[in-house]
Amino acid sequence: NAGVTQTPKFRILKIGQSMTLQCTQDMNHNYMYWYRQDPGMGLKLIYYSVGAGITDKGEVPNGYNVSRSTTEDFPLRLELAAPSQTSVYFCASSYSERGSSPLHFGNGTRLTVT
Amino acid sequence: AQKVTQAQTEISVVEKEDVTLDCVYETRDTTYYLFWYKQPPSGELVFLIRRNSFDEQNEISGRYSWNFQKSTSSFNFTITASQVVDSAVYFCALSGGRGTDKLIFGTGTRLQVFP
Repeated sequence: NAGVTQTPKFRILKIGQSMTLQCTQDMNHNYMYWYRQDPGMGLKLIYYSVGAGITDKGEVPNGYNVSRSTTEDFPLRLELAAPSQTSVYFCASSYSERGSSPLHFGNGTRLTVT
Repeated sequence: AQKVTQAQTEISVVEKEDVTLDCVYETRDTTYYLFWYKQPPSGELVFLIRRNSFDEQNEISGRYSWNFQKSTSSFNFTITASQVVDSAVYFCALSGGRGTDKLIFGTGTRLQVFP
């Protein structure tokens, strides 16, 4: 099993550009998440999904969009990139509700917006 | 509101020393879950342990041990006889028992183990 796969690993964007961070998992997990990690700040939840067709906002959703058309895929869209979105982005999945189930993380995408 | 505090930003030790990483949490829930994750220099996040609020038994796994004390709202992590491969950022995290609860992360403790 590949687990959670994120692409790309690195990306540099110019201000105002858009891009999609891809995330796919092969564990048949219903729950998927997007986090961002800023230096010294831990991880903040951007969006999450409890199943195909269902998404909801996390702590820091502004500037991002998501979709969940299949169980496997959970892409994160940045429409108008801003320097404040420079961060490392992690996709994760879990078998059950977040309370009790550990998260399986992808290897992250390092995004720089200049 | 839920909160996780990892007061130690960075710890440096020499190999074979024991080291304890502190985690203090705040929650009003009676059912909750605590986690530790490891982030090595390669960047991935690795799940280490989960503990629920009804289980205060300490856990030992090889050189790793965890001390959960509800009385002090702490879930500390001890590495015995540290090794260079233990160098990483360690995150403590908290989640409530409901399916809609967020997983809240602490800001992490960077552990550097020198040979």
